[in-house]
Amino acid sequence: SQQGEEDPQALSIQEGENATMNCSYKTSINNLQWYRQNSGRGLVHLILIRSNEREKHSGRLRVTLDTSKKSSSLLITASRAADTASYFCASTSLSGYALNFGKGTSLLVTP
Amino acid sequence: DVKVTQSSRYLVKRTGEKVFLECVQDMDHENMFWYRQDPGLGLRLIYFSYDVKMKEKGDIPEGYSVSREKKERFSLILESASTNQTSMYLCASRPPAGGRYFGPGTRLTVL
Repeated sequence: SQQGEEDPQALSIQEGENATMNCSYKTSINNLQWYRQNSGRGLVHLILIRSNEREKHSGRLRVTLDTSKKSSSLLITASRAADTASYFCASTSLSGYALNFGKGTSLLVTP
Repeated sequence: DVKVTQSSRYLVKRTGEKVFLECVQDMDHENMFWYRQDPGLGLRLIYFSYDVKMKEKGDIPEGYSVSREKKERFSLILESASTNQTSMYLCASRPPAGGRYFGPGTRLTVL
């Protein structure tokens, strides 16, 4: 089955800096989503970008999608300590039911 | 707010026991999912259901079964728990617009 792969596996930055995480996937998708998970908790849906969209914004989040390269990026601007979490990309297959998750990027934002 | 609840946050069972993990959502979503999350492996889909009494195998269904008798409730059953089923189990439901709403997770330890 297809699976997203995030890069880097871990990222450590200081407050105020921007954090960029990348994701690659293998087969054609309907949409791609980004999730956040605080330690030991469930995942929270952040943003969804459809296959016919190239860029989407939500607050301090900016997501891009390049279907020709089968890749996406998540940019968090002006990071805060509260952004510390794991971030996962997940691609939805063309059938629309299955959502295939990557292994995540662990982001640490230090004050 | 959509709420997805799981019956237990932490559960400890013995090898061979039958284990029930319950998930309830309150937004009338048709699609519900069970994932397990393991370090280094990310989230993997066990089973999903797209309607009452309908179920589909995910990527790793072996050793698990599911039950969807009512729309709001999706149960994951471990017929005979084994130590390799020690994991974090996450339930999710899917709104019509896509994405996932996740429950808080159940951390299951099988001794």
